Amino acid sequence: DTAVSQTPKYLVTQMGNDKSIKCEQNLGHDTMYWYKQDSKKFLKIMFSYNNKELIINETVPNRFSPKSPDKAHLNLHINSLELGDSAVYFCASSQDSNSWNTGELFFGEGSRLTVL
Amino acid sequence: AQKVTQAQTEISVVEKEDVTLDCVYETRDTTYYLFWYKQPPSGELVFLIRRNSFDEQNEISGRYSWNFQKSTSSFNFTITASQVVDSAVYFCALSEAGTALIFGKGTTLSVSS
Repeated sequence: DTAVSQTPKYLVTQMGNDKSIKCEQNLGHDTMYWYKQDSKKFLKIMFSYNNKELIINETVPNRFSPKSPDKAHLNLHINSLELGDSAVYFCASSQDSNSWNTGELFFGEGSRLTVL
Repeated sequence: AQKVTQAQTEISVVEKEDVTLDCVYETRDTTYYLFWYKQPPSGELVFLIRRNSFDEQNEISGRYSWNFQKSTSSFNFTITASQVVDSAVYFCALSEAGTALIFGKGTTLSVSS
């Protein structure tokens, strides 16, 4: 039973389209995250939610909108996709009760987005 | 300013060699946490270790060991008797109050047989 699961694992789409990536965790964690890993393997935080509330929002274009219907789910919707959005997007969760990572982050397997 | 610096972009070793991956961090907080993660070619991110700023004891886990030195703001990772399965990208990361995990740019380790 996968602890943090993301769908889809692969997504190929055209510029200008809108797409969503879904994430679910069954660990009972309060905090969930989206990270972006670019072609140079650099991992950068995008968003963090604690108990459905947005607590970290890094400098990310408005075209990216996270949605957390409940604390076990954090979805990422991207509007008007651009070539530069091509990356691997990782969802993660942690037990922390606030925005501070004091414990292990549990990562999903990643969703590879390719924008043509 | 870069908070976590992994100066070694790529390292290549031959099996059974020891290898040390360097990590230097920057923070003004007195309480912080340091982490190492491994990303094998399959792409998943695997947690290896967490250290808090008050615990400078070195740690050994099998062939892996970590050297935390606050005086030099370093948290280095050594693999003893490396194996081909150790080939991966290794990330050092820092957690400060009010922030999510900040990752270094990673070190790609290639172990050949």
